[in-house]
Amino acid sequence: QQQVKQSPQSLIVQKGGISIINCAYENTAFDYFPWYQQFPGKGPALLIAIRPDVSEKKEGRFTISFNKSAKQFSLHIMDSQPGDSATYFCAAALTSGTYKYIFGTGTRLKVLA
Amino acid sequence: NAGVMQNPRHLVRRRGQEARLRCSPMKGHSHVYWYRQLPEEGLKFMVYLQKENIIDESGMPKERFSAEFPKEGPSILRIQQVVRGDSAAYFCASSKNRDSGNYGYTFGSGTRLTVV
Repeated sequence: QQQVKQSPQSLIVQKGGISIINCAYENTAFDYFPWYQQFPGKGPALLIAIRPDVSEKKEGRFTISFNKSAKQFSLHIMDSQPGDSATYFCAAALTSGTYKYIFGTGTRLKVLA
Repeated sequence: NAGVMQNPRHLVRRRGQEARLRCSPMKGHSHVYWYRQLPEEGLKFMVYLQKENIIDESGMPKERFSAEFPKEGPSILRIQQVVRGDSAAYFCASSKNRDSGNYGYTFGSGTRLTVV
């Protein structure tokens, strides 16, 4: 199956708090899991990505946690800031073959000042 | 180094007209992908191209839609006889050769098509 399920649909967090967005996939052959950030009127921008051979990857305030057995991965935004307010998309891809992304449906994050 | 360039940014077409969307990939990128984003939805894969070749068009509607990536010039997504349901944001993305080990896409800012 090719679906990637993303939750929650929307999220409101206080400034300084932790934002957590979850994704689940079905196809165990997927081996690349990126997160994209999209501001209104803009294209998605790559935030952070992980391969299934590691369980966690951290870049600044952004961390991906990956659970291969559960087929789930999540994005944690530490010390959330109003500037983080955007829509976040998870995706999954096969690095062999055509390498097209299967995107989740997106999470609209609002960080209150 | 300019990013992925898409034009026009906004396009309004009447039902039945043709829409042509252009995408110039980043310098050094040989893979081009087109995605469609309907309002309040995620991005859906449409087509994957390399220079002069369509590699995967499994996400393209069978009729009215076509794509090309010629040897010279930008990639073109063409929608003939547009209908209201074609109204969406169309994003182009490019990536390097896989051998580089870099699997990330770079997206353009999109073309927002409105069919009236």
